[in-house]
Amino acid sequence: GNSVTQMEGPVTLSEEAFLTINCTYTATGYPSLFWYVQYPGEGLQLLLKATKADDKGSNKGFEATYRKETTSFHLEKGSVQVSDSAVYFCALKGTRGYSTLTFGKGTMLLVSP
Amino acid sequence: NAGVTQTPKFRVLKTGQSMTLLCAQDMNHEYMYWYRQDPGMGLRLIHYSVGEGTTAKGEVPDGYNVSRLKKQNFLLGLESAAPSQTSVYFCASSTGTGDEQYFGPGTRLTVT
Repeated sequence: GNSVTQMEGPVTLSEEAFLTINCTYTATGYPSLFWYVQYPGEGLQLLLKATKADDKGSNKGFEATYRKETTSFHLEKGSVQVSDSAVYFCALKGTRGYSTLTFGKGTMLLVSP
Repeated sequence: NAGVTQTPKFRVLKTGQSMTLLCAQDMNHEYMYWYRQDPGMGLRLIHYSVGEGTTAKGEVPDGYNVSRLKKQNFLLGLESAAPSQTSVYFCASSTGTGDEQYFGPGTRLTVT
């Protein structure tokens, strides 16, 4: 079946540091890939997505590239802010029929001033 | 436009009690979902619906029932609550299974 593996957190960074959160997946075919973000006390919201190999999703300074050869979708940001502190979830949507989202376990990011 | 709303926000139940969580969306979405979020487990799909009057089991359906009598509402029921059902429950909706899911703010349920 489909699965998503994310690096465990928390990831602790100082403001303006470079961020990478690793995500790898297992799925047949060419799934769609997503990053969701959950701010404290809120529900998840879509951050970015990519639907085919070599696509790059980007939003709010975050980027992730769909790498079919390494089955990866790592999240990056060049300069994090305190307001980026949140839990980040990698997810995939398979290619069969009513395939629903499969989420990773989430990675907490803590950014200090 | 409220998006996805959930009622209640917090609830404490005793073992064996029953309750219903209500999810409502005003975006005319066909698809709706119920997830539970537990520490270290991420989000796990309980049940979902691909349209009014339909429901399907997700990854962890045992101990829960759902109903989708109206397109805009998706109810999650616990017939006999157990401590293992202590969790934060999120509802979500989307236009299709491959599309962006919009999440509600969550319901924190504690079963003692």
